[in-house]
Amino acid sequence: GAGVSQSPSNKVTEKGKDVELRCDPISGHTALYWYRQSLGQGLEFLIYFQGNSAPDKSGLPSDRFSAERTGGSVSTLTIQRTQQEDSAVYLCASSFSGTSSYEQYFGPGTRLTVT
Amino acid sequence: QKEVEQNSGPLSVPEGAIASLNCTYSDRGSQSFFWYRQYSGKSPELIMFIYSNGDKEDGRFTAQLNKASQYVSLLIRDSQPSDSATYLCAVNSYGGSQGNLIFGKGTKLSVKP
Repeated sequence: GAGVSQSPSNKVTEKGKDVELRCDPISGHTALYWYRQSLGQGLEFLIYFQGNSAPDKSGLPSDRFSAERTGGSVSTLTIQRTQQEDSAVYLCASSFSGTSSYEQYFGPGTRLTVT
Repeated sequence: QKEVEQNSGPLSVPEGAIASLNCTYSDRGSQSFFWYRQYSGKSPELIMFIYSNGDKEDGRFTAQLNKASQYVSLLIRDSQPSDSATYLCAVNSYGGSQGNLIFGKGTKLSVKP
């Protein structure tokens, strides 16, 4: 079946502009996660949605970052007033809320470059 | 601070050999453990997961978990050049619920023909 999809695949923006990144999880997956990966760095957790529960925003690096998930499916990560340090690959993952399935599957990512 | 540690490598093995990748984690309450493979410029791909102490085999891959030692490993038998990638160890930080994963920085594996 279809995997996690993300758009755009690449985004170049000027410092100070706002950007929106989109994630469409695997059908039937109730949990959705955003991570980012900077060059040469590990994956950094940003935010986690589980069903209708309040999201876990503990990983968001500043109040310029926000995310929402509409209808329990598609999610949008918004970065306001982008800075050069925001340049990274933003990865979305989803998982199935089953009795023993915690495996997360990643989308192809959005490469964000802030100039 | 919950941490996952991996040797960054590079780990170089000849084709056909066994590659052994190791990972330690700091949160003793961790319940779920994952290995992802990441090719250069691509997103992580889940290749193994393990929840119970002991070994779990899937084809050429074996994951090993020792919760008492807070240690998880991945063995790749009959290594192929196509196995050359960065291998990420990840640990579930909420003790079995679907919380976020804590990732190590990865071990770069190079399989020489």
